[in-house]
Amino acid sequence: GAVVSQHPSRVICKSGTSVKIECRSLDFQATTMFWYRQFPKQSLMLMATSNEGSKATYEQGVEKDKFLINHASLTLSTLTVTSAHPEDSSFYICSARDRDRLAKNIQYFGAGTRLSVL
Amino acid sequence: GNSVTQMEGPVTLSEEAFLTINCTYTATGYPSLFWYVQYPGEGLQLLLKATKADDKGSNKGFEATYRKETTSFHLEKGSVQVSDSAVYFCALSGSGGSYIPTFGRGTSLIVHP
Repeated sequence: GAVVSQHPSRVICKSGTSVKIECRSLDFQATTMFWYRQFPKQSLMLMATSNEGSKATYEQGVEKDKFLINHASLTLSTLTVTSAHPEDSSFYICSARDRDRLAKNIQYFGAGTRLSVL
Repeated sequence: GNSVTQMEGPVTLSEEAFLTINCTYTATGYPSLFWYVQYPGEGLQLLLKATKADDKGSNKGFEATYRKETTSFHLEKGSVQVSDSAVYFCALSGSGGSYIPTFGRGTSLIVHP
């Protein structure tokens, strides 16, 4: 089955530092990947849609300079949380659509990254 | 706009009990409907899906039927196990030409031995 690898699974950093999270599709090509943020006991909030070779589309209220997204290849998208602060602490999840199975309308999710900013 | 409403949790059951988690939706056109499951500390996994009215999605003993007349996609399982304890998310996508999914708030299921 389609596998999405997200790394790291957990990161603890100091306030003011930047953190990069990687999302890779291991056995399929993904022209589109999504980045979500999940607060405790809440649903997923879509942050941005990442398209290979072009700029990401951010949802309203999400700071594009704060959350930098790069989708440099068909199998890799990265989310960089710049100058992280404690309020950025959260669970970040990526997902991807299989370029060759778009009609199935299925998203494959990574395992998530727990970010804790001290 | 699109929306998905799930019953609030947590739902607490004893092992082998019958499970129902209600989900209703609002959308234009004919979206696809999904149930995802999230185990503690993990990402989401697709549990089942249905793409058109009266379709029944099923997987691992879970079932849900796409009911257009009631705009519902309730999740059911005849006999739950402790290992089913997780958070379940109802979602839709493909409404109005958009493939970006809309998720419900999630329902936590706790199964006791």
